[in-house]
Amino acid sequence: ELKVEQNPLFLSMQEGKNYTIYCNYSTTSDRLYWYRQDPGKSLESLFVLLSNGAVKQEGRLMASLDTKARLSTLHITAAVHDLSATYFCAVAPTGNQFYFGTGTSLTVIP
Amino acid sequence: GAVVSQHPSWVICKSGTSVKIECRSLDFQATTMFWYRQFPKQSLMLMATSNEGSKATYEQGVEKDKFLINHASLTLSTLTVTSAHPEDSSFYICSARDLRGDGNTIYFGEGSWLTVV
Repeated sequence: ELKVEQNPLFLSMQEGKNYTIYCNYSTTSDRLYWYRQDPGKSLESLFVLLSNGAVKQEGRLMASLDTKARLSTLHITAAVHDLSATYFCAVAPTGNQFYFGTGTSLTVIP
Repeated sequence: GAVVSQHPSWVICKSGTSVKIECRSLDFQATTMFWYRQFPKQSLMLMATSNEGSKATYEQGVEKDKFLINHASLTLSTLTVTSAHPEDSSFYICSARDLRGDGNTIYFGEGSWLTVV
């Protein structure tokens, strides 16, 4: 059974602090995706990681992929309130169907 | 703007009735689309793969007779929830892969909220 697990499930952090969200998956996948979801809304694409060692950064978010360890991380630098949302990682073993992680609900506190 | 559009954005229906949700790719052709379901405060679960011109492929545990999928054209897939019950109330999201360019771009629709009363 394919599993995609995120850690932590809930994260409350102060503005200005750094933190990392972890995504472990149980099958080989040639790509990994990170999405943001605001309450009641659909998914906003953040990153697509396509190879081992891939690192991508956008603003205060940086994602990395280690395909050997089947691990991806989403690092938050100097968090701001606008980053409060739920973050999902997803793998696509066959390239099309997505299998989503459990999600991490992030709340940034002033 | 959205490149994958869903309609309706939200719908309320009575228990026992059927409701149809549309997923359209607006400026690209999608031979394959995907339907997901998301219960409140949970992750997204893949329900089925919609294939243009052929039968949909359903994930284990998803009733194909209850969730009818039709992919009649290269830009439209529909999900019909038949004989809906309150437990079918959920957020339904579709996605499609844009094969243009590097082919790595997946677009998700805006989602459709279904409430069965």
